Amino acid sequence: GAGVSQSPSNKVTEKGKDVELRCDPISGHTALYWYRQSLGQGLEFLIYFQGNSAPDKSGLPSDRFSAERTGGSVSTLTIQRTQQEDSAVYLCASSLVGAGGGTDTQYFGPGTRLTVL
Amino acid sequence: DAKTTQPNSMESNEEEPVHLPCNHSTISGTDYIHWYRQLPSQGPEYVIHGLTSNVNNRMASLAIAEDRKSSTLILHRATLRDAAVYYCILRDHNAGNMLTFGGGTRLMVKP
Repeated sequence: GAGVSQSPSNKVTEKGKDVELRCDPISGHTALYWYRQSLGQGLEFLIYFQGNSAPDKSGLPSDRFSAERTGGSVSTLTIQRTQQEDSAVYLCASSLVGAGGGTDTQYFGPGTRLTVL
Repeated sequence: DAKTTQPNSMESNEEEPVHLPCNHSTISGTDYIHWYRQLPSQGPEYVIHGLTSNVNNRMASLAIAEDRKSSTLILHRATLRDAAVYYCILRDHNAGNMLTFGGGTRLMVKP
């Protein structure tokens, strides 16, 4: 079956430009997460959507970062006025339920590699 | 979520068993132990999870110490495809739902 898909797979942009990264979660999954992984670094949580609840934005590093999830499905992560330190792989994950963190399994997409020149 | 400690790297020979350790001495009673792995140039993938009892699935086994302060992921027969970074993560049943990744263990498999 179809897994989590992300587009584009690679994005090169110039410093100061805005970028949009897209995530298509697994059909029926109510929870959606964004993470990023900088070169040689671990994975860092950015934002979490669960159903119609207000998103958990506690991981967003600055107000240049925002995300939305339309119709409870597709999500877009937007980075405004990109900086070189934004260069990273941005990973999206989805899970069936979300609530009850103990047993919830997250399924990750292949990521979008963002390079800011 | 409580902190975990893993070795930075480990080596194994192909077709031999691999035991990947994880220490989590501050684990609480509601923390589940999850393992994910990340193959090169891919997103992480779920491997296994448990609470108190040992667990087996098609990918691996999870052995949990009686005091739950440590656990071991067991790959019964390593293949070259198992070369990845393995992450041991504690998840509180009642807390937020994001995964908190540490440094993980980079497993290298030699032919």
